[in-house]
Amino acid sequence: GAGVSQSPSNKVTEKGKDVELRCDPISGHTALYWYRQSLGQGLEFLIYFQGNSAPDKSGLPSDRFSAERTGGSVSTLTIQRTQQEDSAVYLCASSSQWGLETQYFGPGTRLLVL
Amino acid sequence: AQTVTQSQPEMSVQEAETVTLSCTYDTSENNYYLFWYKQPPSRQMILVIRQEAYKQQNATENRFSVNFQKAAKSFSLKISDSQLGDTAMYFCAFTGANSKLTFGKGITLSVRP
Repeated sequence: GAGVSQSPSNKVTEKGKDVELRCDPISGHTALYWYRQSLGQGLEFLIYFQGNSAPDKSGLPSDRFSAERTGGSVSTLTIQRTQQEDSAVYLCASSSQWGLETQYFGPGTRLLVL
Repeated sequence: AQTVTQSQPEMSVQEAETVTLSCTYDTSENNYYLFWYKQPPSRQMILVIRQEAYKQQNATENRFSVNFQKAAKSFSLKISDSQLGDTAMYFCAFTGANSKLTFGKGITLSVRP
């Protein structure tokens, strides 16, 4: 079946603008995860969803970051008032259920804030 | 909190030879999974192999195998018969009770023709 998809593949924006990143998980996967990959910080966890709820938002770096998931499927990560330090690759992953499971990743969205 | 350490930033291997990538981790949990993911320049993070901590037998997937030493908290990846397509960044990762993946810093592997 189809894997995890993300859009856009690349996004260039100006400092201060809002951006939305989209993730479409593998069909039937109930758990969805967002990670950020940057040169300085490596790979870091942002947030996960079990169904439509996000029990753990501890990884979101500031209140400018938010995420939602509707219908237990597609998720959107929104960054408001982008800053240059938000430039990174944002990776989405899904697993069949929450817990000790393998996470399968999408191709990522490369965000560049000018 | 869990930590994953990959101390080698880069390695190089001749095509058809064998290479071992090292990883150590620290956790107080007893039930967890360990992974090796491959990230080629295309950026897609691809699962290479998974090891469940409760299994004593080392996982193998074709040319890829691990040496899992639970007491030593060591989890190395052996790539046999290296191919040019194995050139990529490799990440060691841990997941436990909180379901989050904790990654090492990664190692850049270059396969020379």
